[in-house]
Amino acid sequence: NAGVTQTPKFRVLKTGQSMTLLCAQDMNHEYMYWYRQDPGMGLRLIHYSVGEGTTAKGEVPDGYNVSRLKKQNFLLGLESAAPSQTSVYFCASSNTGGPFFGPGTRLTVL
Amino acid sequence: EDQVTQSPEALRLQEGESSSLNCSYTVSGLRGLFWYRQDPGKGPEFLFTLYSAGEEKEKERLKATLTKKESFLHITAPKPEDSATYLCAVRKTGTASKLTFGTGTRLQVTL
Repeated sequence: NAGVTQTPKFRVLKTGQSMTLLCAQDMNHEYMYWYRQDPGMGLRLIHYSVGEGTTAKGEVPDGYNVSRLKKQNFLLGLESAAPSQTSVYFCASSNTGGPFFGPGTRLTVL
Repeated sequence: EDQVTQSPEALRLQEGESSSLNCSYTVSGLRGLFWYRQDPGKGPEFLFTLYSAGEEKEKERLKATLTKKESFLHITAPKPEDSATYLCAVRKTGTASKLTFGTGTRLQVTL
């Protein structure tokens, strides 16, 4: 089992550019999440999904969109990147237990 | 508002010097307290889930305990490979498994 995988691992964007981060899990988990991690702020929930075809806003959703067309995939989109979105992004998945996290995507917006 | 506070922010121990990390929380309707370990440049790695006051869980040199207001992660005779950031998180009832995280404790264990 690969667990939770994320693509890409690193990315540099210019302000105003768009991109999509891909998360995949092979554990048949119902719930999937996108978090961002910034120094001194801890992990903050951006969006989450409770099942295929569903999405919901988390703590810091502005500037991001998500889609969960297939149970195993959860996509995070940035339509117009801003320097404030420079961060490390983590995807996670779970059923009723603690979420399992992916390795992260380090995004820099110039 | 749910709050999770971890202390200390950073801790430096010598190999074999036991200590405890603290996670205090304010949440209505706790449905689980979680401990994770995070190495630099990696994603958090799940360690423990505790559900009710008085519960304890152990894994190698780590033991997690839970009261109604806080959790402790006890590290017994630590080794340099225990160096990492330890994260605490809480989940409350009716929140679709969403977790609220603390900012973590950076542990460094030296020879």
